[in-house]
Amino acid sequence: DQQVKQNSPSLSVQEGRISILNCDYTNSMFDYFLWYKKYPAEGPTFLISISSIKDKNEDGRFTVFLNKSAKHLSLHIVPSQPGDSAVYFCAASASDYKLSFGAGTTVTVRA
Amino acid sequence: KAGVTQTPRYLIKTRGQQVTLSCSPISGHRSVSWYQQTPGQGLQFLFEYFSETQRNKGNFPGRFSGRQFSNSRSEMNVSTLELGDSALYLCASSRVAGVLNTGELFFGEGSRLTVL
Repeated sequence: DQQVKQNSPSLSVQEGRISILNCDYTNSMFDYFLWYKKYPAEGPTFLISISSIKDKNEDGRFTVFLNKSAKHLSLHIVPSQPGDSAVYFCAASASDYKLSFGAGTTVTVRA
Repeated sequence: KAGVTQTPRYLIKTRGQQVTLSCSPISGHRSVSWYQQTPGQGLQFLFEYFSETQRNKGNFPGRFSGRQFSNSRSEMNVSTLELGDSALYLCASSRVAGVLNTGELFFGEGSRLTVL
């Protein structure tokens, strides 16, 4: 049972434009959300997180938005750079600290 | 400092066999988690060990087991392999258990298992 869903398996964006990655979840007990980035042949690396008491968290070019009523979060990358081409995983956790991941979205930034 | 090290990186097994994967966490890290990554399913939590004790467990059959040693190194074992066990198995370590908010969860490069 997939509790975290990333419905877009891929996204192509031009360099300098905005990348918007979406994530939906079903478990209302989730209270912490993270985004991980993964390059080929490497493990995922932490990108940005947000707790359920916030609706926005920003770190440089990366901003995560959380809409709890819609059980939806998104990651905005502005401006997109070629080095951002990777697979992005959305993850969520409740108080048990078990991370549930989405299937990932492959982002390709075109020059 | 050295990152999370997983061995072997690649392996091929046949149905019915068993496999053991190893994970050496970052020095000083006492928590090790294991995840299975398959196409279309993302990463699925297997289990977490802290101070040699299993602290958390995901929804996998009993064929999947793990352990942690006193030096924090961890192994996971899959017995009676099935074709569906083909996946990338990722290990992650952190200084303490349940650390999420600071992003102090570091992943290894994974062990890619192919079951024929």
